[in-house]
Amino acid sequence: GAGVSQSPSNKVTEKGKDVELRCDPISGHTALYWYRQRLGQGLEFLIYFQGNSAPDKSGLPSDRFSAERTGESVSTLTIQRTQQEDSAVYLCASSLGRGVYEQYFGPGTRLTVT
Amino acid sequence: ILNVEQSPQSLHVQEGDSTNFTCSFPSSNFYALHWYRWETAKSPEALFVMTLNGDEKKKGRISATLNTKEGYSYLYIKGSQPEDSATYLCASYDGGANNLFFGTGTRLTVIP
Repeated sequence: GAGVSQSPSNKVTEKGKDVELRCDPISGHTALYWYRQRLGQGLEFLIYFQGNSAPDKSGLPSDRFSAERTGESVSTLTIQRTQQEDSAVYLCASSLGRGVYEQYFGPGTRLTVT
Repeated sequence: ILNVEQSPQSLHVQEGDSTNFTCSFPSSNFYALHWYRWETAKSPEALFVMTLNGDEKKKGRISATLNTKEGYSYLYIKGSQPEDSATYLCASYDGGANNLFFGTGTRLTVIP
C-alpha cells in the first residue's frame, strides 16, 4: 500500500519568507510526528498529533513554527519568517500509536534557507 | 529529554565481515527501544521495536539484543553486504513523553 508521502521534496527559500511543508500519512495511522535533522545532528522531535486530541507542541523551537492536522489526514508544517538555522531535512512519520509502535517515515523535505 | 547515545559514529567494514554497534539509553522508566535503518536518499525504515529485557530479534542477517537493566542494545549484521550501507538509528521511549528520543546514528559503509 501507499506509504507516507511528503511535499515538496526540496525547497529553497530566501530568509524571511514563509514556507509550508506537507505530509500525507498512511491511512488509518492515528499518530503523526514531525521531526527535523539539521546537518551533523540527530533527529529532533517537533510536534505530535494523535487523532483529534490536542497536539503535543513541546518540540517546536520557536513560535515561528506551527503545524496543523485535520483528524487523521494530511498535516502541514508552516515556518514563518524563515531563518538560516531552519535549514534542515524535515521528516514526517505516522504510526498506529505512540511508543511501542514502529514509525513509518516519509522521504523528507530538504529545506534550504538562503 | 532522554540521552540516547550510539557508538561508533561511523565505521567502514569489508564485504563479508560481521559487525555490531551499540545504543545506550537511560534504564529508568524504560518502555521501548527502536532501531531504524536510513539509507541515503530514502526514508528511515523500521528494523525492530523491542520492549522486554533480554529480548532478541532477527531479520535476515540483522539481529538486535536488549538489556534494559543496564540500558543498552546491540545491533549485529552478519556477513555485511554493500546494500547494508546506511545510517542505523536507535530511539528510546520512556512512556512519559509522546515522542521517541533518537541517537545521532551509526553510519556504516560496506566496502565491496
